[in-house]
Amino acid sequence: EPEVTQTPSHQVTQMGQEVILRCVPISNHLYFYWYRQILGQKVEFLVSFYNNEISEKSEIFDDQFSVERPDGSNFTLKIRSTKLEDSAMYFCASSGKAGKYFGPGTRLLVL
Amino acid sequence: AQSVSQHNHHVILSEAASLELGCNYSYGGTVNLFWYVQYPGQHLQLLLKYFSGDPLVKGIKGFEAEFIKSKFSFNLRKPSVQWSDTAEYFCAVSPLLFINDYKLSFGAGTTVTVRA
Repeated sequence: EPEVTQTPSHQVTQMGQEVILRCVPISNHLYFYWYRQILGQKVEFLVSFYNNEISEKSEIFDDQFSVERPDGSNFTLKIRSTKLEDSAMYFCASSGKAGKYFGPGTRLLVL
Repeated sequence: AQSVSQHNHHVILSEAASLELGCNYSYGGTVNLFWYVQYPGQHLQLLLKYFSGDPLVKGIKGFEAEFIKSKFSFNLRKPSVQWSDTAEYFCAVSPLLFINDYKLSFGAGTTVTVRA
């Protein structure tokens, strides 16, 4: 069965550093998303992406965040200057006719 | 905006017991409904979904859910749980805006612990 993949599985970074989280969505899906889950809290929507542009973003998705689909397969989330409160599990997802499928997540720890 | 509430934070059962997890949502329009499961150390997996049609949907691993529109509910059930069902279960709702575009609002999750 096709699946969404994410790299890296874990990332530790210093506050103020830039991080790029990578995702490979399911190949025939057209909608891509990033969600995050801070430890002990709900899974929260960050951003959706369609047709090479952001279709919707949440209040969390401020100027420090950006997304890109640099080629035909990858979908990236960049955090320009990480803060302690960015520590969370970041999930990529893609959706098609059969529904929405999540990747395994990247656990980001900002020190 | 839509919101989702899950009634139970933590449920503890014995193997072979029946499971029912409550989920209610608030949204004025048509919705798609989902249950996801997250096994310890693993990612979110789609258990089942409701888009339209028969309000009783069957998913993987013997789970089913019933959409009751009048109650804004989408409860998850399994008649006989196994130890391997120990996981966190999330109800999620997406407004029916565009085909194949599902912006999910998640409930807080219910941790299910099944004792052998």
